[in-house]
Amino acid sequence: AQSVTQPDIHITVSEGASLELRCNYSYGATPYLFWYVQSPGQGLQLLLKYFSGDTLVQGIKGFEAEFKRSQSSFNLRKPSVHWSDAAEYFCAVGRSGAGSYQLTFGKGTKLSVIP
Amino acid sequence: DAGITQSPRHKVTETGTPVTLRCHQTENHRYMYWYRQDPGHGLRLIHYSYGVKDTDKGEVSDGYSVSRSKTEDFLLTLESATSSQTSVYFCAISESATGPYEQYFGPGTRLTVT
Repeated sequence: AQSVTQPDIHITVSEGASLELRCNYSYGATPYLFWYVQSPGQGLQLLLKYFSGDTLVQGIKGFEAEFKRSQSSFNLRKPSVHWSDAAEYFCAVGRSGAGSYQLTFGKGTKLSVIP
Repeated sequence: DAGITQSPRHKVTETGTPVTLRCHQTENHRYMYWYRQDPGHGLRLIHYSYGVKDTDKGEVSDGYSVSRSKTEDFLLTLESATSSQTSVYFCAISESATGPYEQYFGPGTRLTVT
């Protein structure tokens, strides 16, 4: 069975600083990987996805993520954080199941931004 | 934004009462999912549907049932609510033609069982 680990429960950064959120996955085949963001009281919004090809993927809101097969990682990065980036971030791995496509989510990393 | 609505958005109910949550989509997507979100657990899949009248269990299905009689509606029922089912419930949809693993989420329903 696949699993996703987000080692950092809570991260605090200063506005303008760079950001890296870690994600490690366990999956027996080529993974389909996602990052979602959830603002307080809101649903989840897809930031970016990796299916195949270029291992550096660009997403919305200036985020990018790099797939590293050798490290089973898919870390999310942003060069300069804005106060509006404060939210909870979820990494997910997808797989084909019995008649459907399913996602397994990590437990999330909460990002706080200091002005 | 994907056309997904959930109703009600907030509900308080008593232990032992039945509760039905509704997810409605306007995207004509084939797949629909119900998740619950709890602090420290992330999102966990309850049930999913891969077509009208086609449903299956997820990771945490005990105490829940679902139905899908139309493409656009996916209902989640708690037959006899318990305090452990206090949670935020999210519906999601996806469509294999445009990206099989991308799921788009509704705004959520906050359920409190007293």
